Amino acid sequence: ETILTQSPATLSLSPGETATLSCRASQSVSSYLAWYQQKPGQAPRLLIYDASNRATGIPARFSGSGSGTDFTLTISSLEPEDFAVYYCQQRSNWPLTFGGGTKVEIK
Amino acid sequence: QVQLVESGGGVVQPGRSLRLSCAASAFTFSNYGMHWVRQAPGKGLEWVAHISRDGSVKYYADSVKGRFTIPRDNSKNTLYLEMNTLRAEDTALYYCTRIIAAATHAFDYWGQGSLVTVSS
Repeated sequence: ETILTQSPATLSLSPGETATLSCRASQSVSSYLAWYQQKPGQAPRLLIYDASNRATGIPARFSGSGSGTDFTLTISSLEPEDFAVYYCQQRSNWPLTFGGGTKVEIK
Repeated sequence: QVQLVESGGGVVQPGRSLRLSCAASAFTFSNYGMHWVRQAPGKGLEWVAHISRDGSVKYYADSVKGRFTIPRDNSKNTLYLEMNTLRAEDTALYYCTRIIAAATHAFDYWGQGSLVTVSS
């Protein structure tokens, strides 16, 4: 099973700052990594798939990068609605797996 | 507007069975692989199972293999999750999800979730 480790667990930032979230895989997942945002009481929302492709309707301030085992989600100029929990997910190997999440909270 | 609507959750005793349904609308259901993803209260996301668009390929998480099955009925635009021998650790909100494109197992649409509570 491919283990995804997200860091940090919590990121405390102010609106307007840049968030940098990390996801590290226990083995190569090529570029087959997605990122999701989840707000309390809501289903997750797909932000990025295949490492760097923004899903439909996702603002350009969300960007993804990386390949192999190391991936980054960058949220430039945080908006108030961006404070949430973010998960990475790999589709390279069965079983599919998610990371444990990073909470981006208001400082 | 693509919609996925889960139903069938509830409180069930350990060892019993339950079947979840997911009614899909506003897209050609038979063209998409589907998945179930669950989330225990206050915890992260866990992938549960996948079925290909024609039902010929299925994958399961080790935690549910042998206990859960994931059939679909393309004539009814409905996905199911049949859960047997339920355990306390199966307590979670179960989401029905659609993949974004063929063989691209990222989930672009999610239902609102169906809560399953396993308790005596």
